[in-house]
Amino acid sequence: NAGVMQNPRHLVRRRGQEARLRCSPMKGHSHVYWYRQLPEEGLKFMVYLQKENIIDESGMPKERFSAEFPKEGPSILRIQQVVRGDSAAYFCASSPWRGDTGELFFGEGSRLTVL
Amino acid sequence: KNEVEQSPQNLTAQEGEFITINCSYSVGISALHWLQQHPGGGIVSLFMLSSGKKKHGRLIATINIQEKHSSLHITASHPRDSAVYICAPKKLVFGKGTKLTVNP
Repeated sequence: NAGVMQNPRHLVRRRGQEARLRCSPMKGHSHVYWYRQLPEEGLKFMVYLQKENIIDESGMPKERFSAEFPKEGPSILRIQQVVRGDSAAYFCASSPWRGDTGELFFGEGSRLTVL
Repeated sequence: KNEVEQSPQNLTAQEGEFITINCSYSVGISALHWLQQHPGGGIVSLFMLSSGKKKHGRLIATINIQEKHSSLHITASHPRDSAVYICAPKKLVFGKGTKLTVNP
């Protein structure tokens, strides 16, 4: 039973380019969370999605960032016109059900470097 | 005031010592999560608890819902326990983490 799969593991972009990060949840999980970890800082919630729905995006910057979790395929976190401050590790986690009582399973993270 | 406060922020111990990491929170919860992030960056869920106490090997987690406080204990600590331990009273709210270093 494969765990949460994130790709790419490492991504380098120049300022102004787009970054697309993918997350395939564990089999049977329909709840996906994205978190960002800036260098030397803690994890910060970005967005919570269920299949085809954004449930909570209160942690996501209003501009340049978007997320989706289509009916088929992985969840995608998209960052347009990247800036140096976007350099961070982006973690995805999946859970079997809604709410805080479902265990969280994390991917290995995608490390974005903006030159 | 932060929604989650972890203490200490950094902790250095000698192998074999008993470790306690504390977490106080102000949000209402249905379950609190303890996570471990290794130096390589990977994150593992250690416990999810909504009352009382849970034990897994040398790790013990307790929670007092009325006091809004949880503790993570490590008995007979080992260098491989060196990691950052994160308290999350909600999946959307994380503590800043406690960096534990266990020296041989």
